[in-house]
Amino acid sequence: AQKVTQAQTEISVVEKEDVTLDCVYETRDTTYYLFWYKQPPSGELVFLIRRNSFDEQNEISGRYSWNFQKSTSSFNFTITASQVVDSAVYFCALSVLNGANNLFFGTGTRLTVIP
Amino acid sequence: GAGVSQSPRYKVAKRGQDVALRCDPISGHVSLFWYQQALGQGPEFLTYFQNEAQLDKSGLPSDRFFAERPEGSVSTLKIQRTQQEDSAVYLCASSLGGQANTDTQYFGPGTRLTVL
Repeated sequence: AQKVTQAQTEISVVEKEDVTLDCVYETRDTTYYLFWYKQPPSGELVFLIRRNSFDEQNEISGRYSWNFQKSTSSFNFTITASQVVDSAVYFCALSVLNGANNLFFGTGTRLTVIP
Repeated sequence: GAGVSQSPRYKVAKRGQDVALRCDPISGHVSLFWYQQALGQGPEFLTYFQNEAQLDKSGLPSDRFFAERPEGSVSTLKIQRTQQEDSAVYLCASSLGGQANTDTQYFGPGTRLTVL
């Protein structure tokens, strides 16, 4: 069975602080894909990143960076120099190559950036 | 280009009414998914189409839920005899290829259903 855990329910930071959102996943499949989505108040899930299980290189995109560690089954997301527009609910998700035809989502982390 | 669109954005139904929720996927996308998102939770899978074929409906909670995609483009999720526990946001997503479990899914804004 597949499972994604986002232990942080809510986080508040002051603008310009760095913040890391944690994601821990469980799967017995050796080939899988990990995703992060952002859900602003408008409700639409916005795709941020997709990584496969064979690529453990960390990735940086502007103020966003992702740390994938298979040894700890984690795929953490860091926002550097946070901005008010980063306020949203962030979801980590998992899909597996051999199995269900869908994404498995965590329960999300609500990030509030205080000006 | 245009993203995934859904209509209506908000729907209020009295218990026992039937509702129909529409999804327009990104043009050319083969795969289409429906998810249900309860308040404060992550989306949960309902059903999956590859073109017009419904390949997976394992997440539909009861036989009151029915989805179709007759021409392989627009999809409709129908809920018959709505119950209060059906209140949720219904999200539609599409992906380009037929590899449902590996392609990136792009989501619409959702339909918020409230059953009174």
